[in-house]
Amino acid sequence: EVQLVESGGGVVQPGGSLRLSCAASGLTFSNYWMHWVRQVPGKGLVWVSRIDNDGRSTSYADSVKGRFTISRENAKNTLYLHMNSLRAEDTAVYYCATQSRGGAQYWGQGTLVTVSS
Amino acid sequence: QSALTQPASVSGSPGQSITISCTGTSSDVGVYNYVSWYQQYPGKAPKLMIYEVNNRPSGVPDRFSGFKSGNTASLTISGLQAEDEADYFCSSYTGTSTLIFGGGTKLTVL
Repeated sequence: EVQLVESGGGVVQPGGSLRLSCAASGLTFSNYWMHWVRQVPGKGLVWVSRIDNDGRSTSYADSVKGRFTISRENAKNTLYLHMNSLRAEDTAVYYCATQSRGGAQYWGQGTLVTVSS
Repeated sequence: QSALTQPASVSGSPGQSITISCTGTSSDVGVYNYVSWYQQYPGKAPKLMIYEVNNRPSGVPDRFSGFKSGNTASLTISGLQAEDEADYFCSSYTGTSTLIFGGGTKLTVL
């Protein structure tokens, strides 16, 4: 069974930093491109970032470009999202998901990030 | 890049069929056959229901089907059941190897 488990969320002050992790199991992690997607509770899904299977290519939404960094450690089956200069509008549930079949096939349960003073 | 456009809500009675539209542009939905649909219950993670426009992952009932014409994709649920009441989101692959999502549609089973 494929499992993606996010961690690292919490409450942080504006301007602060957090690192989210996504631990994968039940799949050959190194074969998958990965995404981070966020969702303000009660609102829609918003794509945040993507990394290819060996970590050489990354993409970011304009709203996080220059502040967030996606990375991965295939030896640890783990995906990361380093978030700096956090803003109130970054408050959301953050999901990791596998890129496959033209979309996001497997999803984690999400981790809540709250940016508030 | 703006989100794909979905109706905010749709409703139907048990046994009926409903269709949810997802409108994009010639840079995403119109050019790639990589449209996906997701079902999400409150407080839960999204679940892939349709991929590559009209394919169902294993375990998804054949009551769920997808279609695309031009810049608009659609999800049809036939034989509505109470358990289908959820939020539905579409997504499309884009030319920059990213994903773009729709704003979501709340399905109410009357």
